[in-house]
Amino acid sequence: DQQVKQNSPSLSVQEGRISILNCDYTNSMFDYFLWYKKYPAEGPTFLISISSIKDKNEDGRFTVFLNKSAKHLSLHIVPSQPGDSAVYFCAATGTASKLTFGTGTRLQVTL
Amino acid sequence: DAGITQSPRHKVTETGTPVTLRCHQTENHRYMYWYRQDPGHGLRLIHYSYGVKDTDKGEVSDGYSVSRSKTEDFLLTLESATSSQTSVYFCAIMGIKTGSYEQYFGPGTRLTVT
Repeated sequence: DQQVKQNSPSLSVQEGRISILNCDYTNSMFDYFLWYKKYPAEGPTFLISISSIKDKNEDGRFTVFLNKSAKHLSLHIVPSQPGDSAVYFCAATGTASKLTFGTGTRLQVTL
Repeated sequence: DAGITQSPRHKVTETGTPVTLRCHQTENHRYMYWYRQDPGHGLRLIHYSYGVKDTDKGEVSDGYSVSRSKTEDFLLTLESATSSQTSVYFCAIMGIKTGSYEQYFGPGTRLTVT
């Protein structure tokens, strides 16, 4: 049972435009959400997170939105840059000590 | 960058042989994790540790065992490797920080079981 779902395996966006990556979850006990970015042959790197007490968190070009009623979160990257091309994983936790990851979305930012 | 190293970085082994992967941290973090990454599955938790000699199973623990005798080292052992265990293995660490649950990952070990 996939508790965290990223239904788009890939996304292609032009440089300078907005990238929107989506993530849905089913477990209502999840109360903290994270996004990770992964380049080939490297480990995932933490990007941004949000607690369920908020509906938005912003860090530079990256903004995460949380819609608790819909059990949906999204990551917005504005403006997109070629270096943003990577696989993005969303993750969620309700226990603090364990994360549940989605299957990832491969973002390609084209020139 | 979090001080996490994994060894070996690459390994090819034969079916039925034992394999041990090592994760070493210099951050003195309490929590350590082993994940595997496979196409179409994302990152799946194998085992984790919440202190020296304290470990617990994740969602895909069958065929794997772990040990943590020191804060800085977390070992993952495949007692008898199978082809289904061909994967990329990541170690992660997490400190205790109120309201913050970020895990930080090592560079990964690519394991091929022939």
